Amino acid sequence: GQSLEQPSEVTAVEGAIVQINCTYQTSGFYGLSWYQQHDGGAPTFLSYNALDGLEETGRFSSFLSRSDSYGYLLLQELQMKDSASYFCASGGATNKLIFGTGTLLAVQP
Amino acid sequence: DGGITQSPKYLFRKEGQNVTLSCEQNLNHDAMYWYRQDPGQGLRLIYYSQIVNDFQKGDIAEGYSVSREKKESFPLTVTSAQKNPTAFYLCASSILGQGNEKLFFGSGTQLSVL
Repeated sequence: GQSLEQPSEVTAVEGAIVQINCTYQTSGFYGLSWYQQHDGGAPTFLSYNALDGLEETGRFSSFLSRSDSYGYLLLQELQMKDSASYFCASGGATNKLIFGTGTLLAVQP
Repeated sequence: DGGITQSPKYLFRKEGQNVTLSCEQNLNHDAMYWYRQDPGQGLRLIYYSQIVNDFQKGDIAEGYSVSREKKESFPLTVTSAQKNPTAFYLCASSILGQGNEKLFFGSGTQLSVL
């Protein structure tokens, strides 16, 4: 089976850096994706890691360690608009994308 | 503009009633998905389809049915057998459905029971 675990909530202040962790158990791991979802809205794709290491996209970076079954999303220079839920997701041998439990990020002024 | 359209935005179901949620995409994507999201929780996969006239059950398919008669359309029916249907339903699509792709989501349908 597949499961992805994340902290339920994270709080940080504007301008700070925050890290959202994701640990996974999957059969036939194909990589780790990250999605952002504002309250009541649709999830939007942020990043994807197929290989170990860090991927950087503007203020957002994502890291993957296959040997540790672990990844994280790093958000820098936090802005109020970054307040949202963040989900890691992984596909596997079954060709379906399974989402993690989600982390609610609250950015405070 | 290309995208995924879900309708209606809000839907109410009476006891014992079947309801159908619409999902249409003009992105020319082969794969389409239905997810259910309960308040404060993650997305759980209901059904997915990688090609016309074929679909597979996800993790919580009981009480739901789908069809994929056209590449652009993937409607979801919530049957009376689904005893707890109140949730936010999200439709998504991707290019090939290989399990590691970028998903594009619709704006969702909030289903409530009267």
